[in-house]
Amino acid sequence: DQQVKQNSPSLSVQEGRISILNCDYTNSMFDYFLWYKKYPAEGPTFLISISSIKDKNEDGRFTVFLNKSAKHLSLHIVPSQPGDSAVYFCAARVDYGGSQGNLIFGKGTKLSVKP
Amino acid sequence: SQTIHQWPATLVQPVGSPLSLECTVEGTSNPNLYWYRQAAGRGLQLLFYSVGIGQISSEVPQNLSASRPQDRQFILSSKKLLLSDSGFYLCAWSVFPLTQYFGPGTRLTVL
Repeated sequence: DQQVKQNSPSLSVQEGRISILNCDYTNSMFDYFLWYKKYPAEGPTFLISISSIKDKNEDGRFTVFLNKSAKHLSLHIVPSQPGDSAVYFCAARVDYGGSQGNLIFGKGTKLSVKP
Repeated sequence: SQTIHQWPATLVQPVGSPLSLECTVEGTSNPNLYWYRQAAGRGLQLLFYSVGIGQISSEVPQNLSASRPQDRQFILSSKKLLLSDSGFYLCAWSVFPLTQYFGPGTRLTVL
């Protein structure tokens, strides 16, 4: 049972426009959400995170929105640049008891930004 | 600043051969350490995590094992590799169960 879902395996956007990457989750015990960016043959790089007590967090061109009632979060990239082309992973942390707060990752969305 | 190293970067091994992948972290003490695998076309699967020396938790039953002989060293091993062990292996660290930071990864191909 997949607790973190990224239903779009790929997304293509024109340079300068907005990229919106979506993520849905099922576990209401998640208290912390993160986005990672991954280039081929490299490890994922942390991008931005949001606590479940917030509904928005912004860092430069990247903004993450959290809708707890819908169990949905999204990453907005504005404006999109060709260097943003990568696979984006959504991750969620569950923090109860002895779980050590491990992250659960979605399967990723491949973003292509075209010049 | 913290740095995480993994080696080797790529590895090609025959079926049935042993495996040893190493991960070391610099610039932090008593980190949580993780091993993930990314198989072709799939997401990141957590294999093992460790909260301290000698403390290993396994997330999925498999052909692999992990050890943590030192505070900042994490080793992934197998006695006999299977074809299904092919993938991209990632080590990560965190201080307390917060943001995880990943190493460069090891591409393993089992033939």
